[in-house]
Amino acid sequence: AQKITQTQPGMFVQEKEAVTLDCTYDTSDPSYGLFWYKQPSSGEMIFLIYQGSYDQQNATEGRYSLNFQKARKSANLVISASQLGDSAMYFCAIQDDKIIFGKGTRLHILP
Amino acid sequence: EPEVTQTPSHQVTQMGQEVILRCVPISNHLYFYWYRQILGQKVEFLVSFYNNEISEKSEIFDDQFSVERPDGSNFTLKIRSTKLEDSAMYFCASLQGQGLENIQYFGAGTRLSVL
Repeated sequence: AQKITQTQPGMFVQEKEAVTLDCTYDTSDPSYGLFWYKQPSSGEMIFLIYQGSYDQQNATEGRYSLNFQKARKSANLVISASQLGDSAMYFCAIQDDKIIFGKGTRLHILP
Repeated sequence: EPEVTQTPSHQVTQMGQEVILRCVPISNHLYFYWYRQILGQKVEFLVSFYNNEISEKSEIFDDQFSVERPDGSNFTLKIRSTKLEDSAMYFCASLQGQGLENIQYFGAGTRLSVL
């Protein structure tokens, strides 16, 4: 069975600093997809970034990048130049038809 | 930009009542999903649906739950007799096709409150 572990229940970061949200995963599938979603206080689930297990390069989407270390089974999200609007819950997830989510990390950006 | 639409945004119901949560997936998507998030907890898979039938369901998705695609656009989740523990945010998601590079897009959710 696939599993996602997010060990940081909450983080406080000063505005404009970079932040890394940790994610490790477990799967026996040879190929898989990893995702990060953002859930603001309004509740919706917003797709941020995707990394395929066979992708040679780390995924990037604007200020978001994914630090993918396949041998260590980690897929950390890096947010550069954090903004107040980045305050939200962040979920790491792995796809096996359905999506399996981690417990999330609540990120607070301080002004 | 195409999006998944869910209605209502908030549903309040009495215990034992039936509720129907509605979703309009992205129009060219073929795979549909329901997820649930109890307040303060992680998002949990309920059911996936493809080609007019359930392809997978979790242990949460018991006989009280059913899904339907009554026409070409709507995808509904019905809870027959709601319980207090059904109070949660329910998310619909859709996927264009299989393949790791395909992204599941989520609706904004329906918050169900069972009193």
